[in-house]
Amino acid sequence: GAVVSQHPSRVICKSGTSVKIECRSLDFQATTMFWYRQFPKQSLMLMATSNEGSKATYEQGVEKDKFLINHASLTLSTLTVTSAHPEDSSFYICSANDRYNSYEQYFGPGTRLTVT
Amino acid sequence: SQQGEEDPQALSIQEGENATMNCSYKTSINNLQWYRQNSGRGLVHLILIRSNEREKHSGRLRVTLDTSKKSSSLLITASRAADTASYFCATDGVQAGTALIFGKGTTLSVSS
Repeated sequence: GAVVSQHPSRVICKSGTSVKIECRSLDFQATTMFWYRQFPKQSLMLMATSNEGSKATYEQGVEKDKFLINHASLTLSTLTVTSAHPEDSSFYICSANDRYNSYEQYFGPGTRLTVT
Repeated sequence: SQQGEEDPQALSIQEGENATMNCSYKTSINNLQWYRQNSGRGLVHLILIRSNEREKHSGRLRVTLDTSKKSSSLLITASRAADTASYFCATDGVQAGTALIFGKGTTLSVSS
């Protein structure tokens, strides 16, 4: 089956620093990847849609200058949390659409970000 | 944004009992999917039901979909302690390549 990886799986950073999270589709090409955020005991909230070779589309209330998304290839999207604050501590999950079967979406295992 | 509500928010049952969770959504969909998430872990895909299907089974899981009411239910029969997790429904749009929108989820606790 299709596999999506995320790296790192866990990261702890200090307030004010930036953190980059990678999302890779390992055995398929993904023209579209999605980034979600999940706070404790809550559901997944869509943050942004990332299209290969173009700018990401952000959901209302998500700061595009704070959450930088780059989708430079058909197998890699990155989310950079800039100037992280403790309130950015969350579980970040990406998903990817199979280029040849756009209704199939595969989720990465998630990245636990803790900002101290 | 989120599609809608799931109920109940929390459900506690004994092993062997059945668990039913409901999900409602707001917009037209192509598919509805159910996921399980153990505490602190990633999502596990359980089952997908298409908008032209009314019922689907997979092992101990039974999913129904009523597009006229914009609702779905997930039934877990003969529950086990290992079924303890959060369960989410997720819907996509009618266009291919749209994001999944998740419900708020039901936390299921199965005690032995």
